[in-house]
Amino acid sequence: DVKVTQSSRYLVKRTGEKVFLECVQDMDHENMFWYRQDPGLGLRLIYFSYDVKMKEKGDIPEGYSVSREKKERFSLILESASTNQTSMYLCASSFSQPQHFGDGTRLSIL
Amino acid sequence: AQSVTQPDIHITVSEGASLELRCNYSYGATPYLFWYVQSPGQGLQLLLKYFSGDTLVQGIKGFEAEFKRSQSSFNLRKPSVHWSDAAEYFCAVGIMFSGGYNKLIFGAGTRLAVHP
Repeated sequence: DVKVTQSSRYLVKRTGEKVFLECVQDMDHENMFWYRQDPGLGLRLIYFSYDVKMKEKGDIPEGYSVSREKKERFSLILESASTNQTSMYLCASSFSQPQHFGDGTRLSIL
Repeated sequence: AQSVTQPDIHITVSEGASLELRCNYSYGATPYLFWYVQSPGQGLQLLLKYFSGDTLVQGIKGFEAEFKRSQSSFNLRKPSVHWSDAAEYFCAVGIMFSGGYNKLIFGAGTRLAVHP
């Protein structure tokens, strides 16, 4: 089975902090994704990566950046956290389709 | 633009009753379609997928979905719901790019409650 592991289930940070969310997959997938999930809005794509050191903006990239230095690891970075970034963050990976998801990180920005 | 609509935000059914969750999509090409389920505090689990071929697809946990091109729909069904099916269900359409990579467009989700 594919395993996508997100480093934290719950995280609490303060406004203005730089925040790192980590995601690791064990299936040698080329594609990796970061989504945020908010009630009534479903999942919205923040960034994705289709190869090491490659990245593409998703639908809501503002306020975020990503890093993919190794194939198995995809990091989401909040450069200066704000309260409107309080959300559930989900990482996914795939070879083509379908995507396989981690359990999510619930991030609170105070 | 591509989009996915799940018209029902909340649905409540009795245990043992049948279930249908609606999904409509907007996409110019032949779509890849998915249903995912999310239990509380968990990530998303794939229930079933449609890529091509038979328009009635079977998934895990006794779920099935039917692709109807003329209606741009991909509704999820289950003949007899169990209490453990209470969760949030997401429909998604897969967009393939010429470079070989892909992305998913999700609906807003339908939260299912099951009465004993």
